[in-house]
Amino acid sequence: KQEVTQIPAALSVPEGENLVLNCSFTDSAIYNLQWFRQDPGKGLTSLLLIQSSQREQTSGRLNASLDKSSGRSTLYIAASQPGDSATYLCAVDSGTYKYIFGTGTRLKVLA
Amino acid sequence: GAVVSQHPSWVICKSGTSVKIECRSLDFQATTMFWYRQFPKQSLMLMATSNEGSKATYEQGVEKDKFLINHASLTLSTLTVTSAHPEDSSFYICSATRVGEVSPLHFGNGTRLTVT
Repeated sequence: KQEVTQIPAALSVPEGENLVLNCSFTDSAIYNLQWFRQDPGKGLTSLLLIQSSQREQTSGRLNASLDKSSGRSTLYIAASQPGDSATYLCAVDSGTYKYIFGTGTRLKVLA
Repeated sequence: GAVVSQHPSWVICKSGTSVKIECRSLDFQATTMFWYRQFPKQSLMLMATSNEGSKATYEQGVEKDKFLINHASLTLSTLTVTSAHPEDSSFYICSATRVGEVSPLHFGNGTRLTVT
C-alpha cells in the first residue's frame, strides 16, 4: 500500500530564503507525482506535475525533482515571498489517477 | 482552462438532513471525477471514484449508503451526504481529469460542511 510522507510538517522562514520541501513514498512504481498548493479553507492548485520518466520540472521560482528509485521528490522554492505561505501537498499516482496525498508541509514566509 | 467548479462552498445543516454537493467541469469533459474528504490540518483522503454513467467505486471504509455519488453527465458529479451527523462535518473536495491523458488533476475549491 502506497504511503506518502512529507517533511517537515511545518516550516517558517524569513522572506528571500531558498527552501526545500521533501516528499517520500514507499512504492516506487508510480505513474506520476504532483505538487499542489492549498491555501486555508480553499481547494488545491496544481504547481508541478512530474511524470515517472522525468527527473524534474520547473515553473518560475519552483523546481520539483523526482527520484523514483529512492522514493523521493523535492520541491525547491527560490527567493521565498510572503505570498508563498500555504500548505504544500505532494500526491502520487500509481497509474489509476487515484492520487495518494502526503501529509503536507505548512509553510509560513515572514515579511 | 480545465476549471472545476464546486457548489456550494459552504453549508450548514441540521443533524438528520441530507446535503448535496455539486462538482462541475466547466470547460472540459470529465469521464472520471474524484471525491476527497479533508479533516482539519490533515491531508486529503480519497472517498470514491465517480465514472460517468456507471456506479461509483468507493474506497475501503467509506459508506456507500451515506455518501451517494451520481455522475450523470460528462460535466457533473454530485455527492449527497445522507442523514448527516456532526461527525460528517468536514471539507469535501472534488477533482476531475480527462482519463487517458497525462494532465494535472483539477480541483474544485471545496465545500465546508458543518452539521449541527
